[in-house]
Amino acid sequence: AQTVTQSQPEMSVQEAETVTLSCTYDTSESDYYLFWYKQPPSRQMILVIRQEAYKQQNATENRFSVNFQKAAKSFSLKISDSQLGDAAMYFCAYARTGNQFYFGTGTSLTVIP
Amino acid sequence: NAGVTQTPKFQVLKTGQSMTLQCAQDMNHNSMYWYRQDPGMGLRLIYYSASEGTTDKGEVPNGYNVSRLNKREFSLRLESAAPSQTSVYFCASSESVVDPYEQYFGPGTRLTVT
Repeated sequence: AQTVTQSQPEMSVQEAETVTLSCTYDTSESDYYLFWYKQPPSRQMILVIRQEAYKQQNATENRFSVNFQKAAKSFSLKISDSQLGDAAMYFCAYARTGNQFYFGTGTSLTVIP
Repeated sequence: NAGVTQTPKFQVLKTGQSMTLQCAQDMNHNSMYWYRQDPGMGLRLIYYSASEGTTDKGEVPNGYNVSRLNKREFSLRLESAAPSQTSVYFCASSESVVDPYEQYFGPGTRLTVT
């Protein structure tokens, strides 16, 4: 099985500040997808952003952006202008196909007012 | 458009009891999945159905069975529940397993086996 590592079990950020969540993964494949999912206290898993490995350009979605370093097998999530609603557990995921989705152990993000 | 729905939201079972978790999606997706989420761990795939009429094992299938009833519905059955199956169970769907478009998740079922 592929491994996805999130080395930060917990992170905190002041409201309106920027925070970066780290993720590394292990693969020998060249084509794959990477995702960040958000899980608020409601437990609903919500897709935040995705990155195709063949694309060199980093994905962005409003205040969320990634730093994708393919050679280093690193996929970090940057949240700008943090809001109270960003507080949640964030999961990094690697996928080759739909039945090969591997999730990290998550990073719990606290936003301090 | 409800997305992915799961029933029940909570369940408590005694060891040895059986139950079925229900999942339905209204997005006309071909592929559906069952995951479990344990404390301190990411989601792990139990079973998936690439398309109507097919099911396959994932990473942790032991102790579970599944049925793809039709394109909309995918159920997970515990025949003889064990305390090790205490977990939060998520159902998900996607357009296909070939292109891993994002998976859309249901709200989860919290299962406790005593």
